[in-house]
Amino acid sequence: DSGVTQTPKHLITATGQRVTLRCSPRSGDLSVYWYQQSLDQGLQFLIQYYNGEERAKGNILERFSAQQFPDLHSELNLSSLELGDSALYFCASSVAEGLSGHEQYFGPGTRLTVT
Amino acid sequence: AQKVTQAQTEISVVEKEDVTLDCVYETRDTTYYLFWYKQPPSGELVFLIRRNSFDEQNEISGRYSWNFQKSTSSFNFTITASQVVDSAVYFCALSGYGQNFVFGPGTRLSVLP
Repeated sequence: DSGVTQTPKHLITATGQRVTLRCSPRSGDLSVYWYQQSLDQGLQFLIQYYNGEERAKGNILERFSAQQFPDLHSELNLSSLELGDSALYFCASSVAEGLSGHEQYFGPGTRLTVT
Repeated sequence: AQKVTQAQTEISVVEKEDVTLDCVYETRDTTYYLFWYKQPPSGELVFLIRRNSFDEQNEISGRYSWNFQKSTSSFNFTITASQVVDSAVYFCALSGYGQNFVFGPGTRLSVLP
């Protein structure tokens, strides 16, 4: 158990809908990272937050947004969903401010299915 | 642009064999970090190692070892005396200073009893 929690574990929704994925980092970690894993695109880094502020942006679509709250949990919002958004979404946390400073601990992921 | 190539899509070995997973990277940064992650059949991602571009020392951790060669832009991972529990998809990843985090496509390792 990495100490990172993600909810829900599974999510099934229809095209055009909006969903919110939630992540709670390990105790003491200030950084939260979001990743998408799909058959087509493989593993992709989406975005990182550190202590409430956006720190780095990867291949995140404009339809997607994220935020990190004062209690350090983070939410990833996916809107106007398309079939291609079906994927496993991972959250990771780290003590580091940057992308590379320390190891990242991954949550179990949320499997999103868009029908 | 940064890129990670893992040319081996799938590898099968018999238990107790040694196996090397290849990783070749491209970056223009002088400071960068390389990583290996394991994704077992259960699906979670597990961090294995992080190496910065200034540290070319090879590392050994139990049955795992890593060979970093800047001259060939490679960061290969060897499992000695493989075990069935090593069966997983292994990802190599690269991060430049403050930039995007790029994963390779992964190598699926099957260790047969």
